[in-house]
Amino acid sequence: AQTVTQSQPEMSVQEAETVTLSCTYDTSESDYYLFWYKQPPSRQMILVIRQEAYKQQNATENRFSVNFQKAAKSFSLKISDSQLGDAAMYFCALGGGSQGNLIFGKGTKLSVKP
Amino acid sequence: DSGVTQTPKHLITATGQRVTLRCSPRSGDLSVYWYQQSLDQGLQFLIQYYNGEERAKGNILERFSAQQFPDLHSELNLSSLELGDSALYFCASSVGSFEEGTQYFGPGTRLLVL
Repeated sequence: AQTVTQSQPEMSVQEAETVTLSCTYDTSESDYYLFWYKQPPSRQMILVIRQEAYKQQNATENRFSVNFQKAAKSFSLKISDSQLGDAAMYFCALGGGSQGNLIFGKGTKLSVKP
Repeated sequence: DSGVTQTPKHLITATGQRVTLRCSPRSGDLSVYWYQQSLDQGLQFLIQYYNGEERAKGNILERFSAQQFPDLHSELNLSSLELGDSALYFCASSVGSFEEGTQYFGPGTRLLVL
């Protein structure tokens, strides 16, 4: 079975600082994808970043980047220059291979202090 | 704005009733996925349709059913509602099968069963 674990229920960061959210996963698939989604208070699920497992290069999207460690099955999200608008729940998700749906972690609630 | 639309935004109903949630995928997307987000269960995959046909099933209750129409919009039918069915229901869409695209989420329908 595929699983996703986010071990940090809550995190806090000072505005303009950097924070890293952790995620580990387990899968027997050789071809899969990893995602980070952001869910602000509006409850909308917003795609932050995507990583293909076959790519060695870590994905980046502006202030967001990942540290993908395939052997360790680790997929952390780094947010640089944190902004007040980054405050949200962040979900790590795993998908691909033989199933179409996403498997989500339980989420990390990020607070940004001014 | 992800391009995925869901109606209604909010729904309040009574136990034992039946409701229908509607989703229109992004233009060009053939796959539609339904997810349930509740406080105790987190984000759970319910069902996927691809180009009108059921593609994958998750932990969807027998009281729940879905379909995808020729114009690719999808409906999720929830019947004999129970208090525990209160949740946020998301629809997501992707270009093709999961391997071909990222899932983009609609704003969700908040269902409250009283």
